[in-house]
Amino acid sequence: IAGITQAPTSQILAAGRRMTLRCTQDMRHNAMYWYRQDLGLGLRLIHYSNTAGTTGKGEVPDGYSVSRANTDDFPLTLASAVPSQTSVYFCASSERGGSPLHFGNGTRLTVT
Amino acid sequence: SQQGEEDPQALSIQEGENATMNCSYKTSINNLQWYRQNSGRGLVHLILIRSNEREKHSGRLRVTLDTSKKSSSLLITASRAADTASYFCATHSLIQGAQKLVFGQGTRLTINP
Repeated sequence: IAGITQAPTSQILAAGRRMTLRCTQDMRHNAMYWYRQDLGLGLRLIHYSNTAGTTGKGEVPDGYSVSRANTDDFPLTLASAVPSQTSVYFCASSERGGSPLHFGNGTRLTVT
Repeated sequence: SQQGEEDPQALSIQEGENATMNCSYKTSINNLQWYRQNSGRGLVHLILIRSNEREKHSGRLRVTLDTSKKSSSLLITASRAADTASYFCATHSLIQGAQKLVFGQGTRLTINP
């Protein structure tokens, strides 16, 4: 089934550790996104990529980095996790900016 | 800051009734999108309405857009228990040359059987 695959589905991580959240899409979409969802704050954009080889900062980029080496993969890295990064992380893709987004099922991350 | 603000934050109705959710926003938009999220899952796109459109239908969904009031509404007719979910509006804009899709905080809809 075509769509977005995120891994892991959940993770408990000690503060200070490095972590990469994986995201793969098989729809050949140009644009990909990372959002975090927190109770009372809705979804906030962390980083985005309009096409392979380019990335941009969203609303809350600090403490996160991304890369877009190819069309299909868009990993999100936390270089040194902090408790405030405890959240549910969603990866999404779209054909182009402004098109409807397709979401993965999220990664629930707890930083202790 | 959030572009879209949904109202109400939570809504509980009986099965068969209609559910209306509202979304207000602050800046000019290219389009407005509505999404649904079931508990523990990712968001699913429902409907997109462009800034030059006033109303759009999809099955039991009806979306309106009033750009003069900077508001949109999502109407679900003849609600079913399976419609229980959170619903989000998202506004697409060009901000400083960059395309942005900004989500509101959502309306939690409960359909009581």
